[in-house]
Amino acid sequence: GENVEQHPSTLSVQEGDSAVIKCTYSDSASNYFPWYKQELGKRPQLIIDIRSNVGEKKDQRIAVTLNKTAKHFSLHITETQPEDSAVYFCAAGSPYNQGGKLIFGQGTELSVKP
Amino acid sequence: DTAVSQTPKYLVTQMGNDKSIKCEQNLGHDTMYWYKQDSKKFLKIMFSYNNKELIINETVPNRFSPKSPDKAHLNLHINSLELGDSAVYFCASSFRQAGLVFFGQGTRLTVV
Repeated sequence: GENVEQHPSTLSVQEGDSAVIKCTYSDSASNYFPWYKQELGKRPQLIIDIRSNVGEKKDQRIAVTLNKTAKHFSLHITETQPEDSAVYFCAAGSPYNQGGKLIFGQGTELSVKP
Repeated sequence: DTAVSQTPKYLVTQMGNDKSIKCEQNLGHDTMYWYKQDSKKFLKIMFSYNNKELIINETVPNRFSPKSPDKAHLNLHINSLELGDSAVYFCASSFRQAGLVFFGQGTRLTVV
């Protein structure tokens, strides 16, 4: 069935370093790939997304890359700051065909040490 | 001016009880969802409604019954609560074909 694998499950970096989180999806019909940040006790919040007609997208310190052939997509955070500490979720979906349903990865707990 | 709001934020109840969670969105979206986040933080879709019509019903026990009186509201009623129902339940909404999903603040349900 549909599945999204995300790794690593935990990631600890020093402030100023880069962080990379990787996801793999199984459903080749997926064409929409959002990333969510969830702080402790809060709701998941969309931070960036990418659609299948684009290979890379950047927004200030965060960027996403997509390899449709390999069914991989990644989140890159540069110049990490303590406030980047949170759980990050990747997701995959096909809004036009699947009623907006998103399949989420297992989450990555990112810790940025000052 | 909260975009997706759900109530209550916390719900503690005994096994066997029936409870409801309410959700409202003021974004003008046509699709609303219920997601469940378990103790391991895993987020899984339960239901999706588009223009008040049920379009996704994942393998959720019949004890869970969503109701959408209009496009802006999607409530979740749970009968005969079990210990395993303890989780955080998130309401969410989107324009179906746009994909961008916005989440409510969550309801932490604890069944004792």
